[in-house]
Amino acid sequence: SQKIEQNSEALNIQEGKTATLTCNYTNYSPAYLQWYRQDPGRGPVFLLLIRENEKEKRKERLKVTFDTTLKQSLFHITASQPADSATYLCALDIIKGGSYIPTFGRGTSLIVHP
Amino acid sequence: GAVVSQHPSRVICKSGTSVKIECRSLDFQATTMFWYRQFPKQSLMLMATSNEGSKATYEQGVEKDKFLINHASLTLSTLTVTSAHPEDSSFYICSAREVGARQPQHFGDGTRLSIL
Repeated sequence: SQKIEQNSEALNIQEGKTATLTCNYTNYSPAYLQWYRQDPGRGPVFLLLIRENEKEKRKERLKVTFDTTLKQSLFHITASQPADSATYLCALDIIKGGSYIPTFGRGTSLIVHP
Repeated sequence: GAVVSQHPSRVICKSGTSVKIECRSLDFQATTMFWYRQFPKQSLMLMATSNEGSKATYEQGVEKDKFLINHASLTLSTLTVTSAHPEDSSFYICSAREVGARQPQHFGDGTRLSIL
């Protein structure tokens, strides 16, 4: 079955540096992959969606790559700020009974130090 | 952007009480809504998929008689935790997906349920 793996250890970086988070999946390549941000006690917030035919997608300081050969997506935040500190979740859809069922990784906590 | 409103944000009640949580898509129609449960420092665990006008599809291990889901309209789904017990205490989050399979989900802000 499809599994999504994100580094469970927190990523600590200094303000201004680029944060890079990794999402690996184990089985078939999904048609698209999504990244979300979750703050403590809040629901996830959608950030970016990247499709299988897109190698890279950008939105302001965010960049996502999708490598179907490596079965991996990388999520980058450039010029990171303390306000970027949060848990970042990777998600993809699993096809189940003809429906697209969303599945999330455990998330990686990012801590940006001033 | 697409907004999902979830209410209430926090519930504290006695064991045996039934609790209803509402999830509304405010500015878009959602034929499909999802209900999740999340434990501290854990991932979102999908409980059920709610489709407008039909019965919800529950994930394995989720008791449908315990967690009643109703999706009466294209903008509203409700989750009722029946006869709640302390082990049902958790963070419940709903999401709604815009029409079309390859669309992101938009989440509510969650409901913190505490059963005494």
